[in-house]
Amino acid sequence: AQKVTQAQTEISVVEKEDVTLDCVYETRDTTYYLFWYKQPPSGELVFLIRRNSFDEQNEISGRYSWNFQKSTSSFNFTITASQVVDSAVYFCALSDLTGFQKLVFGTGTRLLVSP
Amino acid sequence: DGGITQSPKYLFRKEGQNVTLSCEQNLNHDAMYWYRQDPGQGLRLIYYSQIVNDFQKGDIAEGYSVSREKKESFPLTVTSAQKNPTAFYLCASQNPGFGEKLFFGSGTQLSVL
Repeated sequence: AQKVTQAQTEISVVEKEDVTLDCVYETRDTTYYLFWYKQPPSGELVFLIRRNSFDEQNEISGRYSWNFQKSTSSFNFTITASQVVDSAVYFCALSDLTGFQKLVFGTGTRLLVSP
Repeated sequence: DGGITQSPKYLFRKEGQNVTLSCEQNLNHDAMYWYRQDPGQGLRLIYYSQIVNDFQKGDIAEGYSVSREKKESFPLTVTSAQKNPTAFYLCASQNPGFGEKLFFGSGTQLSVL
């Protein structure tokens, strides 16, 4: 069965600190996709990144970076030099062949960045 | 601009009443989804539809119903059988194909009077 675990319920940091959000997943499929979404206070989920199971290259986009490790079934998200605008709930999600197109979400991590 | 529109933003339900949440998309996506979000529980799938006139139950379908008569529209009815309807409801749409990302609406907060 598919499962996504985000063990960190809430993280508080001060602006300019680096922060890593953890995501651990479970799937029996060898082909799958992983996603990160951001949910700001407005409520709408915003897509951040998608990674397929055959691409273990880490990715960097500005202050955001993602570390995908199949050996530990993890897809962690790091924000460098955090800013107040990064305050949001962040969700990790999994889509595998067993679930067809459906995304299974973790419980989310609330990030609070203080000035 | 293309996107997903959910309405209303806030909705109140009286006991024993059915209420309908609207979801419209102009992205020409075949697949549409309804998720329920409760504090600390993430997003849980209620119903999904991969094509017009077809829909499937998700993980928590009891007490909910949907229809998909048009590609653009996927309304969700919260029936009186749903005993704990207070939650934030999110609608999403998706292009066909494995691994496609979801596009989300801005959500409806449903509360019980």
